[in-house]
Amino acid sequence: EAGVAQSPRYKIIEKRQSVAFWCNPISGHATLYWYQQILGQGPKLLIQFQNNGVVDDSQLPKDRFSAERLKGVDSTLKIQPAKLEDSAVYLCASSSSRPAVYEKLFFGSGTQLSVL
Amino acid sequence: GDSVTQMEGPVTLSEEAFLTINCTYTATGYPSLFWYVQYPGEGLQLLLKATKADDKGSNKGFEATYRKETTSFHLEKGSVQVSDSAVYFCALVQVNYQLIWGAGTKLIIKP
Repeated sequence: EAGVAQSPRYKIIEKRQSVAFWCNPISGHATLYWYQQILGQGPKLLIQFQNNGVVDDSQLPKDRFSAERLKGVDSTLKIQPAKLEDSAVYLCASSSSRPAVYEKLFFGSGTQLSVL
Repeated sequence: GDSVTQMEGPVTLSEEAFLTINCTYTATGYPSLFWYVQYPGEGLQLLLKATKADDKGSNKGFEATYRKETTSFHLEKGSVQVSDSAVYFCALVQVNYQLIWGAGTKLIIKP
């Protein structure tokens, strides 16, 4: 079974530039999550989708971050414009279970973003 | 609100040493508790879990017991290997709420 795919693996941009990350979840997984992991901290949930609807985006900085999941499959997370404090690893995860059942959560390898 | 506190790393051990990574939590009610592991260059993956008091989760030689009286979920392994080198995250979840993560503990095993 293929895992959660993310790209790019690394991205370096200057502040005020835009960047986009892509995630392809495991086939058939209805729930998709985007997390931000700052060095030395645990992951922070940015947004959760159930199929192509948003379940929770309460911690997404909506003035600069946006995410979509068209057709309920792959997803894109965008930052525009980027700030220095956005430097982090952006993790995508997917689950076939109800949102509360976290033992079925599968993570991608992440995109490491450096904002200079 | 709910929170998870892990011991700071890095933790450096020699191969075959005994491992303990401390994890304590603050939560109302009865959360489920998890240990996730992140190997170099790979995604996070579930290592073990416990869903109620006195449950013991185990996997790959690792164990952790849900201790409600001390609000702890310490990770242990009797004899570590170089391949265990990774970052370990303790986490909790309440029903219908999101995962609450610890900051992670980096483990380095020297041959």
